[in-house]
Amino acid sequence: SAVISQKPSRDICQRGTSLTIQCQVDSQVTMMFWYRQQPGQSLTLIATANQGSEATYESGFVIDKFPISRPNLTFSTLTVSNMSPEDSSIYLCSVSRAQTGSRSTFGSGTRLTVV
Amino acid sequence: DAKTTQPNSMESNEEEPVHLPCNHSTISGTDYIHWYRQLPSQGPEYVIHGLTSNVNNRMASLAIAEDRKSSTLILHRATLRDAAVYYCILKSGGSNYKLTFGKGTLLTVNP
Repeated sequence: SAVISQKPSRDICQRGTSLTIQCQVDSQVTMMFWYRQQPGQSLTLIATANQGSEATYESGFVIDKFPISRPNLTFSTLTVSNMSPEDSSIYLCSVSRAQTGSRSTFGSGTRLTVV
Repeated sequence: DAKTTQPNSMESNEEEPVHLPCNHSTISGTDYIHWYRQLPSQGPEYVIHGLTSNVNNRMASLAIAEDRKSSTLILHRATLRDAAVYYCILKSGGSNYKLTFGKGTLLTVNP
């Protein structure tokens, strides 16, 4: 299965600033996803990162707040813009093949604290 | 998306088997049943998946009901390292292969 490197692993940021999280995969993958995990909660899908085109956002998430890039099949970034303390969460990257019988792999996550 | 229902929490003793149930009564014919677990302070990790037949791997076994409306994840001998939140998820091509996480089952393993 794919190996994911996610950076940074954690950060403390000032409100009103932005943070870009990187997700690097060791092999070409079809599907890439970004999730958010708020404290004590389950994972919520933010968007599907599409190679060479705009990401597909889930209800409640918008591009202006969470711009996503995916320039190729092994790399994606998620930016958390104009941060507030409510954005303090763990953000995770996940990859998979476009098959229902294919396992998904997750990065170790970025723990973001906004002060 | 087809939904799953799991108990909020379960408890087991070390070295005993654990059976984690999942109900998915609205599963469609092409949905795969996936199980993931999340250890404290880590991202989710894959455990096992299946379509119709029971599946075994080095981590666990997956027993799927004949009508596919329920499944059970079996840990044959629980260890302290198996303490985690276990998620049962249906993966569908119709939902673009994304995983929709419920609240999962928090498994506590007693020494």
